[in-house]
Amino acid sequence: ETVLTQSPGTLSLSPGDRATLSCRASQSIRSSYLAWYQQKPGQAPRLLIYGASTRATGIPDRFSGSGSGTDFTLTISKLEPEDFAVYYCQQYVISPPGYTFGQGSKLEIK
Amino acid sequence: QMQLQESGPGLVKPPGTLSLTCAVSDGSITDSNWWSWVRQPPGKGLEWIGEIHHGGNTNSNPSLKSRVTISVDMPKNQFSLALSSVTAADTAVYYCARHLVTPGTRGFDLWGQGAMVTVSA
Repeated sequence: ETVLTQSPGTLSLSPGDRATLSCRASQSIRSSYLAWYQQKPGQAPRLLIYGASTRATGIPDRFSGSGSGTDFTLTISKLEPEDFAVYYCQQYVISPPGYTFGQGSKLEIK
Repeated sequence: QMQLQESGPGLVKPPGTLSLTCAVSDGSITDSNWWSWVRQPPGKGLEWIGEIHHGGNTNSNPSLKSRVTISVDMPKNQFSLALSSVTAADTAVYYCARHLVTPGTRGFDLWGQGAMVTVSA
């Protein structure tokens, strides 16, 4: 079973700062099967990045994804007030087929 | 713009069966090959429950597999979740979600608003 570990658990930054969130897999995964989501309180998750680095429809270009193998990163280049939320990474597992999520990283206003 | 809407009882007694339906509107359930259920206990992270192809094939989280049934109703343009033998640990917000159609990739690009289900006697 491949486990996704996100770090840090909580990141305190100010608007305008650069945020870097990490997602580490316990074994190598296919980049095309790695996605990132944003979730705000009381709302459903929103797809930000799929295929490790492709922005989903309507996602601003301040969001970017990178990485391969076991280490993946979500970067927000210049934080806007609406970016403070919880972020999850997700992987697809081929066998048995299914999905797992990281435990989440909370981005809070400093 | 397609929308997903979960519906079902907000309170289920243990050890009963939790039943939810996800209605697909402003589009067809055949617009995507796969559809999933995801849940989130209060204050906790996301857990994938299972998925269904509009043709009827299903896959489930191994930790829940013995209790999960996912079905699709093409004429009604909806799919459903049944989770049996529920306990308080099954209390969560339950989301339905649409899978990306981009070949070779995985992810859920459209979510319902979520349905809170409490398991309590």
